[in-house]
Amino acid sequence: SAVISQKPSRDICQRGTSLTIQCQVDSQVTMMFWYRQQPGQSLTLIATANQGSEATYESGFVIDKFPISRPNLTFSTLTVSNMSPEDSSIYLCSVHGTSGGARTGELFFGEGSRLTVL
Amino acid sequence: RKEVEQDPGPFNVPEGATVAFNCTYSNSASQSFFWYRQDCRKEPKLLMSVYSSGNEDGRFTAQLNRASQYISLLIRDSKLSDSATYLCVVNRGDDKIIFGKGTRLHILP
Repeated sequence: SAVISQKPSRDICQRGTSLTIQCQVDSQVTMMFWYRQQPGQSLTLIATANQGSEATYESGFVIDKFPISRPNLTFSTLTVSNMSPEDSSIYLCSVHGTSGGARTGELFFGEGSRLTVL
Repeated sequence: RKEVEQDPGPFNVPEGATVAFNCTYSNSASQSFFWYRQDCRKEPKLLMSVYSSGNEDGRFTAQLNRASQYISLLIRDSKLSDSATYLCVVNRGDDKIIFGKGTRLHILP
């Protein structure tokens, strides 16, 4: 299993500001994933953060709005820029589970960062 | 069409009853399949993987029909603690993992 710590766990922000969410994993991982879960909705992948290269963004998400850093194999940040009320959501960091060096297919999640934009 | 579609919820089921969830996926190249459970205000956690031969874990049985691109989850002898949202999850095989919208289950005492 992987233990993932996210912070902040929640925040209330003003429109137009930016917030950076941090994700720390207890083991080295190649890929870290950032998901968004809007109220009453399921999880939507924002981007995949790869160490040593640019993040890969999914359709509908752009780097200017959601810049990502991946300085090493255990840490990543997601910034939500120029926030609007539509960005109110839970943001979750995730990694693949591994066993003996091979992926198990399971995803492990941080506890999420609940963002409210006023 | 959404890549992963699930039964609309919520399901309100008396304790002890059997409940079944269905899920369909659109990408025939999808390689692996899972059911996750998400409690209110918590992160999703793996409930069980779904194998072609079907698999069982205690009161939970998962089935996969690749020809119909259909996945199911059966919960027998439901408990109050089974109340949660159940997410159907599909790994498309290109490192893309797609989540269904989830089905909310309420077990009634």
